[in-house]
Amino acid sequence: EDQVTQSPEALRLQEGESSSLNCSYTVSGLRGLFWYRQDPGKGPEFLFTLYSAGEEKEKERLKATLTKKESFLHITAPKPEDSATYLCAAVGSNYQLIWGAGTKLIIKP
Amino acid sequence: EAGVTQFPSHSVIEKGQTVTLRCDPISGHDNLYWYRRVMGKEIKFLLHFVKESKQDESGMPNNRFLAERTGGTYSTLKVQPAELEDSGVYFCASSQAGVRDTQYFGPGTRLTVL
Repeated sequence: EDQVTQSPEALRLQEGESSSLNCSYTVSGLRGLFWYRQDPGKGPEFLFTLYSAGEEKEKERLKATLTKKESFLHITAPKPEDSATYLCAAVGSNYQLIWGAGTKLIIKP
Repeated sequence: EAGVTQFPSHSVIEKGQTVTLRCDPISGHDNLYWYRRVMGKEIKFLLHFVKESKQDESGMPNNRFLAERTGGTYSTLKVQPAELEDSGVYFCASSQAGVRDTQYFGPGTRLTVL
C-alpha cells in the first residue's frame, strides 16, 4: 500500500537555526513528490514539485531534495514567519495524491 | 487572478441532515479535486473531475457522498444524510493539467456534525 511518512511531527527552532524535515515514501511508480505549506485555518500552499531522484529545488530559505526513498525540506536560517505545518504528498501509479501527516514547524524569535 | 474559493467556510449541522459544499476552481482549470482531513489524520483524496466528468471517485467514503461538476465549472459535494464521522475539513483543489501538475487549494470548509 502506498504510504507517506513525515518526521518529526513537530520541530521547534530558534530563529536562524537551520534544520531539515523528512518525508519518507513507499509509492509504486512515483510520478511526483510535492511539498506544501499550511497555515492555521488555510488551505495548503504549494512550494515545490520534484519528479526524479537527485532533483533539487530552492525558494528563498527553503530547499527540497529527492532520493529514491525520501525527500528532505531543508530550511536555512529560518525566520518566525516560516512557522507553519509543512506537508509532503506523493503521486504514485494510482494517480492520487498520498499525503503525510505533516511537520509542525515553530520558529522562535 | 482569483484563487480557488470554497463556500461555506464553516458548517455545523445535526446528524441526519444534508449539507452541500461548493468549490469554485481557478478559471481555466479543467481538473478539480476534493480532499478531506479528519481530525488528527492526514489529508485523504476523495475524487477527481476532469471538466464535468468523474475521472476517479475511488476515495469517496460511501454513497452518502455525491459530487457534481455542472458544465465543468464549479463543483458541489453533498453529504446526505450526514453522520458524526463526516466531521472534518473538506478541501478543494484545481490544476490546469493532470495529477502531476501543481494543485492549488482552497481554504477549506470545516464541517461539524453534531
